Amino acid sequence: GESVGLHLPTLSVQEGDNSIINCAYSNSASDYFIWYKQESGKGPQFIIDIRSNMDKRQGQRVTVLLNKTVKHLSLQIAATQPGDSAVYFCAENIGSSYKLIFGSGTRLLVRP
Amino acid sequence: DADVTQTPRNRITKTGKRIMLECSQTKGHDRMYWYRQDPGLGLRLIYYSFDVKDINKGEISDGYSVSRQAQAKFSLSLESAIPNQTALYFCATKERGNTGELFFGEGSRLTVL
Repeated sequence: GESVGLHLPTLSVQEGDNSIINCAYSNSASDYFIWYKQESGKGPQFIIDIRSNMDKRQGQRVTVLLNKTVKHLSLQIAATQPGDSAVYFCAENIGSSYKLIFGSGTRLLVRP
Repeated sequence: DADVTQTPRNRITKTGKRIMLECSQTKGHDRMYWYRQDPGLGLRLIYYSFDVKDINKGEISDGYSVSRQAQAKFSLSLESAIPNQTALYFCATKERGNTGELFFGEGSRLTVL
């Protein structure tokens, strides 16, 4: 089976509740951020992105918030569903050469 | 068919063997990347390429080499595999520009005994 994420922090939420996944990034010069979702046995999938000149961006059921003052990024998932169960990674890009640096991830478990 | 295809999907090998992981893409993207994933460590960048014959080191390039002979193909080699290279390896592609998503393959699980 998939061994990715054995030691990851885990967020457990009730189906239908809202989820908030947090991420602290490392470099104040980072100018672009992405959230990825990874289901067991699959590659990461893009969820939403945000540039550093914004502090909020909304997608379908998801919202990303960026607080540059404290170098913090969060992903909010509205009305969490069982299909949202996965590992979530934030990633930051520093500079002009587009090299995404990934965080260590958070596992989201949705209780029925 | 997947846009980003990795082969093999699973490989078990012995210490000292040479291993090549292949990645091919049908998205027409210029940029290709190899990442390594270990439990609890997220994804770490090994090498990346912005065009044919263009090669750049990432965070953890030691012990690895890559080849980009064609736009659609980017291969990762372990010249002499060691057990701590046991990991899940992902190839990704991206179109030009400094924003936008990486498109990942399904991963290649490598076990070095």
